[in-house]
Amino acid sequence: GIQVEQSPPDLILQEGANSTLRCNFSDSVNNLQWFHQNPWGQLINLFYIPSGTKQNGRLSATTVATERYSLLYISSSQTTDSGVYFCAVEEGGSYIPTFGRGTSLIVHP
Amino acid sequence: SQTIHQWPATLVQPVGSPLSLECTVEGTSNPNLYWYRQAAGRGLQLLFYSVGIGQISSEVPQNLSASRPQDRQFILSSKKLLLSDSGFYLCAWNTLPNQPQHFGDGTRLSIL
Repeated sequence: GIQVEQSPPDLILQEGANSTLRCNFSDSVNNLQWFHQNPWGQLINLFYIPSGTKQNGRLSATTVATERYSLLYISSSQTTDSGVYFCAVEEGGSYIPTFGRGTSLIVHP
Repeated sequence: SQTIHQWPATLVQPVGSPLSLECTVEGTSNPNLYWYRQAAGRGLQLLFYSVGIGQISSEVPQNLSASRPQDRQFILSSKKLLLSDSGFYLCAWNTLPNQPQHFGDGTRLSIL
């Protein structure tokens, strides 16, 4: 099956800093999603982005499907950005998202 | 708008006891439904998924089972819990074709 690798595994930032999270995948995908899991365990869908670029406030994401990677940008980070960020991809014809192991982000005040 | 409800939020059960976790979706019809387990160390493991009433696919052989008695209801069960069944259980849904997946708030299950 498809392999999904996220980097870095852990990230510690000071409030106000910018960061880039990366998701590499091993095969062509029809779907790519970014999620944020807050410290209480809630998983929130940030972006549905099989290709191209999207922005939502301080967050933006870019997927380059032909090169099999996606990037999540967090600008002017806030303590509420802390948590784990997951990338999930779906191969063609599959109903099943394959999740990466996540990037754990801690933002200090 | 669509919402997903998952309960209970936390559960403490003795080894060998039965389990029933329920998930319901509102505001949509014929959703794809999923059960995941997240152990310490944060990876999400897909347990079951369903594309329709009575249609259940299992991804990992285990002590658990799933059922979909109604279009928007997904139930995770066990006849006898094991210590290894402890974890954070998440229900999720989306619709065809490939669409964003949305998660419930999860159930923290501790087995004593």
